[in-house]
Amino acid sequence: DSGVTQTPKHLITATGQRVTLRCSPRSGDLSVYWYQQSLDQGLQFLIQYYNGEERAKGNILERFSAQQFPDLHSELNLSSLELGDSALYFCASSVVPYGYTFGSGTRLTVV
Amino acid sequence: SQELEQSPQSLIVQEGKNLTINCTSSKTLYGLYWYKQKYGEGLIFLMMLQKGGEEKSHEKITAKLDEKKQQSSLHITASQPSHAGIYLCGAAMESGGSNYKLTFGKGTLLTVNP
Repeated sequence: DSGVTQTPKHLITATGQRVTLRCSPRSGDLSVYWYQQSLDQGLQFLIQYYNGEERAKGNILERFSAQQFPDLHSELNLSSLELGDSALYFCASSVVPYGYTFGSGTRLTVV
Repeated sequence: SQELEQSPQSLIVQEGKNLTINCTSSKTLYGLYWYKQKYGEGLIFLMMLQKGGEEKSHEKITAKLDEKKQQSSLHITASQPSHAGIYLCGAAMESGGSNYKLTFGKGTLLTVNP
């Protein structure tokens, strides 16, 4: 157990739908990072939050959004889902820029 | 373009053989991480390197960061089937202001045949 908790582990949904992925960071970590992993693109950085504020954005689509709550857990919202959004979604947390711990991921399948 | 290039993309070795995986960046690396991933599972942290010339070892795995902090190698000695998986290098790169993001290479798929 890495200390970073992601739910759900698996999600199957239809195109056009909206889903929410949840991440609880390791105790004491203020930063949360979201990544998308697909076979063709590899592990792609989506967005980072630090203590409730957005800090950095990567290759995140406009249909995707995220937020970090006062208790530091984070949610990644994916809307108007397309087949190509099927992927593994990971979150990671860190307390300083140089220590990253990953959760076990959420496998999203869009049918 | 990929900010971190890993080579080779895949590697098949016989059990007991040594192997090396490389990770190259066009930018200075502020922290270089090596992770291992079983297909479809989470990332397992292996090692972190920060200083130019730094070398770390854990069991049969050794990682080095070159003096210019733009290239790292991961070396496995006497490989075993348990070493099989996807090896990912990740680097802390500036993303604006004093922020850093962890960027990954595309990974190296290692197969170890018994």
